[in-house]
Amino acid sequence: GDSVTQMEGPVTLSEEAFLTINCTYTATGYPSLFWYVQYPGEGLQLLLKATKADDKGSNKGFEATYRKETTSFHLEKGSVQVSDSAVYFCALSDPSNTGKLIFGQGTTLQVKP
Amino acid sequence: GAGVSQSPSNKVTEKGKDVELRCDPISGHTALYWYRQSLGQGLEFLIYFQGNSAPDKSGLPSDRFSAERTGGSVSTLTIQRTQQEDSAVYLCASSLAGLAGDEQFFGPGTRLTVL
Repeated sequence: GDSVTQMEGPVTLSEEAFLTINCTYTATGYPSLFWYVQYPGEGLQLLLKATKADDKGSNKGFEATYRKETTSFHLEKGSVQVSDSAVYFCALSDPSNTGKLIFGQGTTLQVKP
Repeated sequence: GAGVSQSPSNKVTEKGKDVELRCDPISGHTALYWYRQSLGQGLEFLIYFQGNSAPDKSGLPSDRFSAERTGGSVSTLTIQRTQQEDSAVYLCASSLAGLAGDEQFFGPGTRLTVL
């Protein structure tokens, strides 16, 4: 079945460091890919998405490119801030499967000043 | 506008009791999802409603779990004879049309603790 694997955390970085959180997927169809973020004490919210191969999603300085050849959707940011500290979830939604989200296990990011 | 709301925010119950969790989706959203977030299992899909179609119940972990959606809006997730392994945060989400590329908007969740 469909699945998502993302790098285990926690990831601890200093402010202004470069961030990469790896995410790979397995799907039978052509899924849409998402990054959701959960800030401390808040609910899950969409960070960015890409719906087809080679699309790049971007928001708040974060980017991720849908790579069909490597079945990956790695999250990157050039310069993290303390306010980026959160749990990040990679997810897919297979169009043949009701749009439900399949999530990775989540990666905790802590940014220190 | 108003987002997805869930009630109660916290629920503590004794093993063997039944519980009901409520979700109010965003007005106009036809698709509604329930997920469960727990330390051991991460975020997992439970059930999906779309308009008047039969729900997708493929994620429900046992027949103690059931859900309904009345009038295409409010949904209730019921857990009968609760067990300690049911302790988790139950999240509700809604989307405009239930398409694969649609953004899902999540509620704040109900934290269920089964003693």
